[in-house]
Amino acid sequence: DTAVSQTPKYLVTQMGNDKSIKCEQNLGHDTMYWYKQDSKKFLKIMFSYNNKELIINETVPNRFSPKSPDKAHLNLHINSLELGDSAVYFCASSQRDRGTEAFFGQGTRLTVV
Amino acid sequence: GENVEQHPSTLSVQEGDSAVIKCTYSDSASNYFPWYKQELGKRPQLIIDIRSNVGEKKDQRIAVTLNKTAKHFSLHITETQPEDSAVYFCAATRAGNQFYFGTGTSLTVIP
Repeated sequence: DTAVSQTPKYLVTQMGNDKSIKCEQNLGHDTMYWYKQDSKKFLKIMFSYNNKELIINETVPNRFSPKSPDKAHLNLHINSLELGDSAVYFCASSQRDRGTEAFFGQGTRLTVV
Repeated sequence: GENVEQHPSTLSVQEGDSAVIKCTYSDSASNYFPWYKQELGKRPQLIIDIRSNVGEKKDQRIAVTLNKTAKHFSLHITETQPEDSAVYFCAATRAGNQFYFGTGTSLTVIP
């Protein structure tokens, strides 16, 4: 069973479009995250979310919004895509109240043309 | 919040040599320090971790050391092999907090 799964794996779209990336975890974790990894490989946190609290990295444009239908899902919606949004996006989850390891999804490579 | 610095950003070693990657953190309340390995095109995966009540932990060819007083921790890989080539990330966190990752080290093991 895949612990953290995200879809799609690849996404190619035109500037100005709106797109979503889906993420699901079956680990029963209390917290899910979205990270952006650009060509320099840095893992930049975008959002941290549990059923009580959404923490938004202040540098993330408001075109990006997390949507959580339930505890096991955290989707990423992006409006008005720009060329600079091209990157690999990773979903992750952890049991934040115990401070244990984070598990990552396989990543979504987003290319904006 | 926490600030994690990682050095070096790139590291090349000959096969069989050792590799050392160092990280420092700023929040003295952080008590969990995982290390992740990310192979090309793959997701980051945990390879070893250490908690603040332990000074060193070893798993075969990899080891992690922690100096709480100085707030730094290091990853040591001995007898490096080509399959160790990857990007390595350190992180620091504590219960109730998010993960703070270092900026990554691209390790190349030259056969």
